Amino acid sequence: SAVISQKPSRDICQRGTSLTIQCQVDSQVTMMFWYRQQPGQSLTLIATANQGSEATYESGFVIDKFPISRPNLTFSTLTVSNMSPEDSSIYLCSVGSGGAYNEQFFGPGTRLTVL
Amino acid sequence: AQSVTQLGSHVSVSEGALVLLRCNYSSSVPPYLFWYVQYPNQGLQLLLKYTTGATLVKGINGFEAEFKKSETSFHLTKPSAHMSDAAEYFCAVSEREYGNKLVFGAGTILRVKS
Repeated sequence: SAVISQKPSRDICQRGTSLTIQCQVDSQVTMMFWYRQQPGQSLTLIATANQGSEATYESGFVIDKFPISRPNLTFSTLTVSNMSPEDSSIYLCSVGSGGAYNEQFFGPGTRLTVL
Repeated sequence: AQSVTQLGSHVSVSEGALVLLRCNYSSSVPPYLFWYVQYPNQGLQLLLKYTTGATLVKGINGFEAEFKKSETSFHLTKPSAHMSDAAEYFCAVSEREYGNKLVFGAGTILRVKS
């Protein structure tokens, strides 16, 4: 399985500001995913980020709020823009193993608190 | 559309007792099913998966799960709970037709009493 790291591991931000979260993988992967886990909730997929194409956003998530970059096969960033307290969550990236079943492996997450 | 229901947001067992975490899914085609575990302040770790073939799958840390198509279930079990099993467990489903995107259940927090 891939080894995935995220930066920062946690942050406390002021409302109205933006935070960029980095996700680094130790091997080349085609499919990367970004999830949000709100306090006490399950994981919700924000978008799928494939290298060489625009990210595909799920219903309820828009590019202006959550711009994503995928410059190469080992790296991606998620920006949380114009933050409000409702954006306080854990943000996780994952990578797909590829193949028919595409099991996903997750990074440790970024715990974001917006004041 | 896919969906996952985990019965019981909290489950409490004694150390050494059987662990049973329930998961039912909704899928229009044969799904791929996963159990993930999340320890406090950590990311998700894959416990086990069902894709095709044998319906009883074994995972890490002594956990196993059985895919029952007739019951649309994929319950997670472990014969004897250990204190280190205390964590949150997520059942997830994916379908090839949906780009293998994962849909997660709400999660079950397992507490192990000494």
